[in-house]
Amino acid sequence: EAQVTQNPRYLITVTGKKLTVTCSQNMNHEYMSWYRQDPGLGLRQIYYSMNVEVTDKGDVPEGYKVSRKEKRNFPLILESPSPNQTSLYFCASRQGSANEQYFGPGTRLTVT
Amino acid sequence: AQSVTQLGSHVSVSEGALVLLRCNYSSSVPPYLFWYVQYPNQGLQLLLKYTTGATLVKGINGFEAEFKKSETSFHLTKPSAHMSDAAEYFCAVTPRGTGRRALTFGSGTRLQVQP
Repeated sequence: EAQVTQNPRYLITVTGKKLTVTCSQNMNHEYMSWYRQDPGLGLRQIYYSMNVEVTDKGDVPEGYKVSRKEKRNFPLILESPSPNQTSLYFCASRQGSANEQYFGPGTRLTVT
Repeated sequence: AQSVTQLGSHVSVSEGALVLLRCNYSSSVPPYLFWYVQYPNQGLQLLLKYTTGATLVKGINGFEAEFKKSETSFHLTKPSAHMSDAAEYFCAVTPRGTGRRALTFGSGTRLQVQP
């Protein structure tokens, strides 16, 4: 089954404790993205990757890091989480700009 | 830079009534256009998209949208609302051509369907 998986689905952590949210896709897609969803703001892109070892900042990259060492994986790293990073995070992948973007189920992160 | 505006953060209709969700975009060149739906506690699912060709596109669950270049719009419609249509709907655009191909989302419209 074609899918994007994210782990964990729910995470509660404290300010400053490094965390990683994993993302994996099994469709051999070139493009992968991370978004955060906040009420009234829709989805905002955090980081974007066009292929292995090629990443680019989105609209709200501050406080986040990513890496793309393998085509299928695109982890999101929060080196020092802060409460303003409490949000719902989605990973997504697609093959080309005209094609459908597949979304993971989301990771709800709470930083206290 | 491209942007997307969805008019109305909340829309309420009666079951069986017409659904109209509005989307306008701002872009120097007509982009690729998408509508996504998000059901509670789920990720986003593609409803339909416009890339080229016929400007009226049909999607899943009886939804359709019409690309109007002169109005820079891509409104989503469904002739008869069903209770199961209650969800949040997002319009999104991405530029054509080469270079960075970010998908920019509108702020979303929550559709409520009254019995």
